[in-house]
Amino acid sequence: QQPVQSPQAVILREGEDAVINCSSSKALYSVHWYRQKHGEAPVFLMILLKGGEQKGHEKISASFNEKKQQSSLYLTASQLSYSGTYFCGTDIGDYKLSFGAGTTVTVRA
Amino acid sequence: DTAVSQTPKYLVTQMGNDKSIKCEQNLGHDTMYWYKQDSKKFLKIMFSYNNKELIINETVPNRFSPKSPDKAHLNLHINSLELGDSAVYFCASSQGLETGQPQHFGDGTRLSIL
Repeated sequence: QQPVQSPQAVILREGEDAVINCSSSKALYSVHWYRQKHGEAPVFLMILLKGGEQKGHEKISASFNEKKQQSSLYLTASQLSYSGTYFCGTDIGDYKLSFGAGTTVTVRA
Repeated sequence: DTAVSQTPKYLVTQMGNDKSIKCEQNLGHDTMYWYKQDSKKFLKIMFSYNNKELIINETVPNRFSPKSPDKAHLNLHINSLELGDSAVYFCASSQGLETGQPQHFGDGTRLSIL
C-alpha cells in the first residue's frame, strides 16, 4: 500500500527546477505532500483531491493524475529553503495516509 | 502558541523499561495520530483516534497502548521497551477523518533504547 516515490534524492543549484513523482497501486481519493527538514516535524505543503481540487499555501505546484494513480510535485526556481525531504502521503479512503519513502532535495548556492 | 506539542522531546532509556509520551493539540481538531519514523525516515502510522475513539491500529505490538482522555490529548505508553523501538515518534492531528484534511505534526519524541 505504500506509494512509490522517485527519485530517492536530487541535488539542485538555486534557480533550477525538479520534479518528484509519487505512484500508487490503488485508486486514490487524495494525495498529500509534506516537507521535512532535518530534525524537524513534517510540514504540510499541499493536498490534491480526486476531482481536481487543490489546496496548498506554498509556491510549489503539483499535479494529480487520477487515472494513472500518480502525483507529481514541481519545485520551480528552487531556493535554498526548499532543501529537505519531501513525502507524498496517499489516501485510498481508509482514513489514513500511507507515506512514500521520501525524496531528499538538496539545493546549493 | 504551539499547535501540536509533544513531551518529552528526547527519551533515553534501557531495554525492558516502560515509558510514556504525551501529546496535546490546541487546534480544535477531532482526529489525532501516532506515527513512527525509523532511521531510514520511513514514516508509518501506528494509531489514530477520532473524538477519543480508536479508529486505526496498524499491527502494532500490544506493548504499545494509546490513550485519549479527551479529543485534545493522545498519549502513548510503551511497555517492555526493545532495541527496535528506537525511533522518532510523531503525534499529528487533523480536522477530521474526511479526505482532504491536512495533518499537523508535533516536533517529535526521539526515543533511544540502550
